[in-house]
Amino acid sequence: DTEVTQTPKHLVMGMTNKKSLKCEQHMGHRAMYWYKQKAKKPPELMFVYSYEKLSINESVPSRFSPECPNSSLLNLHLHALQPEDSALYLCASSQDPVLNTEAFFGQGTRLTVV
Amino acid sequence: GNSVTQMEGPVTLSEEAFLTINCTYTATGYPSLFWYVQYPGEGLQLLLKATKADDKGSNKGFEATYRKETTSFHLEKGSVQVSDSAVYFCALRQNTGNQFYFGTGTSLTVIP
Repeated sequence: DTEVTQTPKHLVMGMTNKKSLKCEQHMGHRAMYWYKQKAKKPPELMFVYSYEKLSINESVPSRFSPECPNSSLLNLHLHALQPEDSALYLCASSQDPVLNTEAFFGQGTRLTVV
Repeated sequence: GNSVTQMEGPVTLSEEAFLTINCTYTATGYPSLFWYVQYPGEGLQLLLKATKADDKGSNKGFEATYRKETTSFHLEKGSVQVSDSAVYFCALRQNTGNQFYFGTGTSLTVIP
């Protein structure tokens, strides 16, 4: 199983809503990532978790709140988003935080903020 | 610092043409290098990788060789198909860190 599963695939939310994006992997990977990708751009790193601890936060606004409940799950809690936050949100995992192995990506959640 | 530079797109080729997408990198130490492919509306899929100098990664007819002397990892395919139309990202990861550094992506369209 080399899958990273993200739910939901599509999400439309208002600026006053609270929603969560979910990501799951069962490969035993110990590093998990959230990326934001705008159209025709590369993924931008948001957060990195290593062994379930937040290790990198790329100065992301507090309206995005990550959570890693266990080694297989990663959530991204959304609150009071702006229309410019509309993007494809990608979750990824890699085997080990300190080995330079590849990352496996999920299919992404297409988020639209209205 | 670490960075990846890819050739600007978009690239349009006829079916069965030869493909090269250039990628050069800046890094200290000995990074691993990757090519990812993104089809419309989907996430990134690992296409191939190389973990040390002179390694050649290959998959689905695509190849790239890790050239430390020229700090390059160019993607090639001898005969492209319409189904290869996608965006291709070159990326590196250091052996001391947890971050991936992506190029800007190159959009490829293959026409019949």
